[in-house]
Amino acid sequence: KAGVTQTPRYLIKTRGQQVTLSCSPISGHRSVSWYQQTPGQGLQFLFEYFSETQRNKGNFPGRFSGRQFSNSRSEMNVSTLELGDSALYLCASSRTGGHEQFFGPGTRLTVL
Amino acid sequence: GNSVTQMEGPVTLSEEAFLTINCTYTATGYPSLFWYVQYPGEGLQLLLKATKADDKGSNKGFEATYRKETTSFHLEKGSVQVSDSAVYFCALSVAGGSEKLVFGKGTKLTVNP
Repeated sequence: KAGVTQTPRYLIKTRGQQVTLSCSPISGHRSVSWYQQTPGQGLQFLFEYFSETQRNKGNFPGRFSGRQFSNSRSEMNVSTLELGDSALYLCASSRTGGHEQFFGPGTRLTVL
Repeated sequence: GNSVTQMEGPVTLSEEAFLTINCTYTATGYPSLFWYVQYPGEGLQLLLKATKADDKGSNKGFEATYRKETTSFHLEKGSVQVSDSAVYFCALSVAGGSEKLVFGKGTKLTVNP
């Protein structure tokens, strides 16, 4: 069974631009969560989607948004990029209620 | 709120040494507890988990026991290998309709031959 895939793996953007990251969960998994990983703040929860609905949201500004499609694939968008948005963005999927999340390799975003 | 505190690294050991990485938690409700491992350039991999008090999670020689009385979930391995060099994260999740994981800061382990 294929694991969680994320595209692209690496991105370089400049301040003020926007970016869209994509995540394809493991087949049969309906929950997709996003996390931001930085050296200073560690791993922080962004949001979780289940059956195309945002079920939980972390403490991030409105520039960070996401969505989930009917096939459970998910995208997250960051608008008006700031230098501090440089991070590894990790996507994780799970079956409903299982609490066991499987992570993708991440997208490394660099904002110049 | 929910939080996880784990010992800060880095931790450097020789091959075959005993490993302990301490992890304590604060949670509203009854959490499930996890250890994840992150190898260089990769995402997180679930190492082991425990869902109720006194449960012992184990995998690849690593063990951790869910201690409700001390709110702890310390990771141990009797004999580490060079291939165990990675960053280890303790995490919790509280039931209630969300899959949100709360992570500790991570502990970087380096094992020398």
